[in-house]
Amino acid sequence: QVQLQESGPGLVKPSETLSLTCTVSGYSISSDYYWDWIRQPPGKGLEWIGSIYHGGSTYYNPSLKSRVTISLDTSRNHFSLKLSSVTAADTAIYYCARARGPTIRRWFDPWGQGTLVTVSS
Amino acid sequence: QSVLTQPPSVSGAPGQRVTISCTGSSSNIGAGYDVHWYQHLPGTAPKLLIYGNSNRPSGVPDRFSGSKSGTSASLAITGLQGEDEADYYCQSYDSSVSGVVFGGGTKLSVL
Repeated sequence: QVQLQESGPGLVKPSETLSLTCTVSGYSISSDYYWDWIRQPPGKGLEWIGSIYHGGSTYYNPSLKSRVTISLDTSRNHFSLKLSSVTAADTAIYYCARARGPTIRRWFDPWGQGTLVTVSS
Repeated sequence: QSVLTQPPSVSGAPGQRVTISCTGSSSNIGAGYDVHWYQHLPGTAPKLLIYGNSNRPSGVPDRFSGSKSGTSASLAITGLQGEDEADYYCQSYDSSVSGVVFGGGTKLSVL
């Protein structure tokens, strides 16, 4: 059974870089699939952040592209998210998920439980 | 403001049938892009319910079904149970924003 678990600081200061890791168990991330990040600000809907293919190609939400980096660490079987120059608007629950299909046909299964990141001084 | 529009809430009595709509436009659902649906209990991992408009992953009861027509999609739940009380999200692709988009979510209450 594939499981994903997000980890990282729960509090980040404005203008700094948010860094999260998604550890995958039950499946080798280098074998197949896309590996994605999605977030949900408090009281709002879900927002797709971006994706990395098992081969290393990345795809980002155009609205966040200038600040986002997603990377793979196959030796540790995890993938990571870095979001730079954060503001209070980046406060959200951050989810990682395994994704099937290219962006135009993508769906997410399974998801991690999510981790709350608050941006505040 | 989400690209895909869902009603904020729906409700139904146990055993009844409810539908949740997901309204898009010509740059997403109306352009032929697939719609997928998720069930989410706050504090837990969202769960895939329907993929590719109408396909159920293994393990999802056949009480859940999806359909798509024109610029809209719907999730139907029959034989409502208390455990169905959750938030439901639709998801698709939008060519005008060049990315994956979600609906704002619908809270289902089982009366």
